[in-house]
Amino acid sequence: AQSVTQLGSHVSVSEGALVLLRCNYSSSVPPYLFWYVQYPNQGLQLLLKYTSAATLVKGINGFEAEFKKSETSFHLTKPSAHMSDAAEYFCAVSEYGANSKLTFGKGITLSVRP
Amino acid sequence: GAVVSQHPSWVICKSGTSVKIECRSLDFQATTMFWYRQFPKQSLMLMATSNEGSKATYEQGVEKDKFLINHASLTLSTLTVTSAHPEDSSFYICSAQHGRYNEQFFGPGTRLTVL
Repeated sequence: AQSVTQLGSHVSVSEGALVLLRCNYSSSVPPYLFWYVQYPNQGLQLLLKYTSAATLVKGINGFEAEFKKSETSFHLTKPSAHMSDAAEYFCAVSEYGANSKLTFGKGITLSVRP
Repeated sequence: GAVVSQHPSWVICKSGTSVKIECRSLDFQATTMFWYRQFPKQSLMLMATSNEGSKATYEQGVEKDKFLINHASLTLSTLTVTSAHPEDSSFYICSAQHGRYNEQFFGPGTRLTVL
């Protein structure tokens, strides 16, 4: 069975600092990987996805993530944090095929200090 | 593109009543939709997978007679919480699957409060 590990529950950075949110996956075959962002009382918005093409994936709002098979990781980064980045971030994995379910990590809360 | 709506966005009801939540894919057709439940400060918990024209597949531990799911068309799935109780109070989120990589696009969620 697939699983996703997001270490830590809360990350706090200063505005303008590097954002690094970690995600490790466990899958027997190369999966699809996703990062979602959730603002308070809202649904999830797709930030970016890995689909076995380029290992460095660029997403919206200046975020990017690098797929490293040897480390089974898909960490999310942003060079310079903005106050509006404060939110909950979820890493998720799914298998190929229709009806494939998403397996979510427990999420990380990102706080941005002025 | 790939917009999913949910209605209502919030609902308050009395214990023992039933509540219906609608999930619509606005600009695409979705053969498969999913229903999640989210408790405060927690991740999403998949409740069921809804396929158009067939019975929903429920996750282990989810009462199918309590959480009725109907996926009557390629753009609409509904979740009915029957005989709601305070412990059913939660944030319910739907998603619709679309695209080459079977991405899930999420609705804005429905906050259910049962008094």
